[in-house]
Amino acid sequence: GNSVTQMEGPVTLSEEAFLTINCTYTATGYPSLFWYVQYPGEGLQLLLKATKADDKGSNKGFEATYRKETTSFHLEKGSVQVSDSAVYFCALSTGPSGTYKYIFGTGTRLKVLA
Amino acid sequence: DTAVSQTPKYLVTQMGNDKSIKCEQNLGHDTMYWYKQDSKKFLKIMFSYNNKELIINETVPNRFSPKSPDKAHLNLHINSLELGDSAVYFCASSLTGTGHEKLFFGSGTQLSVL
Repeated sequence: GNSVTQMEGPVTLSEEAFLTINCTYTATGYPSLFWYVQYPGEGLQLLLKATKADDKGSNKGFEATYRKETTSFHLEKGSVQVSDSAVYFCALSTGPSGTYKYIFGTGTRLKVLA
Repeated sequence: DTAVSQTPKYLVTQMGNDKSIKCEQNLGHDTMYWYKQDSKKFLKIMFSYNNKELIINETVPNRFSPKSPDKAHLNLHINSLELGDSAVYFCASSLTGTGHEKLFFGSGTQLSVL
């Protein structure tokens, strides 16, 4: 079946450090790939997405590239800020429109220290 | 102007009780979901409705019964609550036909069963 595997956290970084959170997936067909972010006490928010191979999603300095050959969608940011502290979820969606099924990874907690 | 709102935000109750969580979205979306997030942040889909029709029904105990009176509402009723039901429940919505099915989440209902 379809699945998403992401690195376990927590990840603790100093401000301005480089961030990578690894994500790999297993899916039949051609899934869309997403990164969602959850700030404390809130619901998940879409951070970025990519809908086909070699697409790069980007938002707020975060980037991820859809790599079909390695079935990966790693999240990167060149210089993290304290305000980036949150839980990050990699996800994929498959299925015909109207019946899309999302599969989420287990989440990676990021803590950025000043 | 909350996009996806769910009530209550916190719910503390005794084992064996019956409780409901309500969800409403004002985004004009046609698909709504319930997700369960456990203490380790693992997020799992429970149900989804498209135009009031049940589309996804994962292996959830039949003590959980979703009800969608219209496209803007998806409520979750839980009978005979058990300790293992303690979690954060998230409602979400999306619009079909947009090509990537971005999910909009509510801020969650933290359910504690004592």
